[in-house]
Amino acid sequence: SQQGEEDPQALSIQEGENATMNCSYKTSINNLQWYRQNSGRGLVHLILIRSNEREKHSGRLRVTLDTSKKSSSLLITASRAADTASYFCGVSGTYKYIFGTGTRLKVLA
Amino acid sequence: DVKVTQSSRYLVKRTGEKVFLECVQDMDHENMFWYRQDPGLGLRLIYFSYDVKMKEKGDIPEGYSVSREKKERFSLILESASTNQTSMYLCASTPRSRGTQYFGPGTRLLVL
Repeated sequence: SQQGEEDPQALSIQEGENATMNCSYKTSINNLQWYRQNSGRGLVHLILIRSNEREKHSGRLRVTLDTSKKSSSLLITASRAADTASYFCGVSGTYKYIFGTGTRLKVLA
Repeated sequence: DVKVTQSSRYLVKRTGEKVFLECVQDMDHENMFWYRQDPGLGLRLIYFSYDVKMKEKGDIPEGYSVSREKKERFSLILESASTNQTSMYLCASTPRSRGTQYFGPGTRLLVL
């Protein structure tokens, strides 16, 4: 079954550094999405990349998608303390979406 | 902006109680979803609905039921709450074309 799995599970960086997190999945997808979750809150959509796209940008976010390797990466440039959160990828197949366990990012001021 | 609201942020119930979690979206989305989120397990799909009065089981439907009488409202029901249903419950919606999922703020349920 398809499954979004994020890597690493946890990441700690200094403010101003870049943060990269990866997502792998198992089967064909229609699109892949990245979400952010602050502690104890719901998920907030960050960016969606379709299966026929290879790269997408939104502000300080850059997402890549490699369908041949069934993987995606999320890059947050010039990180800020406010970026501290958990980040999830979600893959969309038929009706269902599959999410991984997330990457916990901590940005130290 | 799409808004998905959930009836409670925090809920404490006793074992055996019947529990209703309500979710309302204001964007006329066809698809609605209920997930539970537990540490180390990520989000797991309980049920989803792609139209009024339609429902489909997700990956962990046991112990739960759902109701979708109106397009904007999707209710999750715990018929007889158990301690292993203590969790964070997240509702989400998407348009028929799917794409982005819009999530509610979550309900943290504690079953004693």
